[in-house]
Amino acid sequence: NAGVTQTPKFQVLKTGQSMTLQCAQDMNHEYMSWYRQDPGMGLRLIHYSVGAGITDQGEVPNGYNVSRSTTEDFPLRLLSAAPSQTSVYFCASRNIQGAFATNEKLFFGSGTQLSVL
Amino acid sequence: GNSVTQMEGPVTLSEEAFLTINCTYTATGYPSLFWYVQYPGEGLQLLLKATKADDKGSNKGFEATYRKETTSFHLEKGSVQVSDSAVYFCALRASGGYQKVTFGTGTKLQVIP
Repeated sequence: NAGVTQTPKFQVLKTGQSMTLQCAQDMNHEYMSWYRQDPGMGLRLIHYSVGAGITDQGEVPNGYNVSRSTTEDFPLRLLSAAPSQTSVYFCASRNIQGAFATNEKLFFGSGTQLSVL
Repeated sequence: GNSVTQMEGPVTLSEEAFLTINCTYTATGYPSLFWYVQYPGEGLQLLLKATKADDKGSNKGFEATYRKETTSFHLEKGSVQVSDSAVYFCALRASGGYQKVTFGTGTKLQVIP
């Protein structure tokens, strides 16, 4: 049971380049989300999804696209990278049916450190 | 919208000292409240949670009580250890299983021997 897998772990981009951060989970979780972590700003929600074909914006969605074609995968796309997108990105998932259960929690990936030059 | 406010860090304590990290929230209804911990170089992991008013979450010697009247969920530990050095995040999920999870800015704790 791998949990939440993020790739790559590190990435350096030039301004204007595009790339996709991958996130996959093998726990059959309906809910998946992307956060960015910046010093002094905590974790800010970028986009989230409550099931295949359903996505919604978080606090800081500009410059990012997502899609959810399967339950397992939730990729995050940067269409034209900017230095302001330099950050650590975390993918997280949870079970919605278990949301009212005592074991509700978000499962986090190990993060992707992205630098945009 | 929903929000979480945490005390700013860093917090530096000596081993065996008492820890309090303040957290207050803004949300309608009855959100679920969480504390997550991030150890250096790792992702976040759940420390404890509470789902209704007056509930107390506890784990690894840490405790937090859901106070509806003061909209607070302060984290406490009676005697911290060097191994507790980490960043602690308060978070909430609004009522309803499909709701997103909102995090505070995090509080860095450093425990010195």
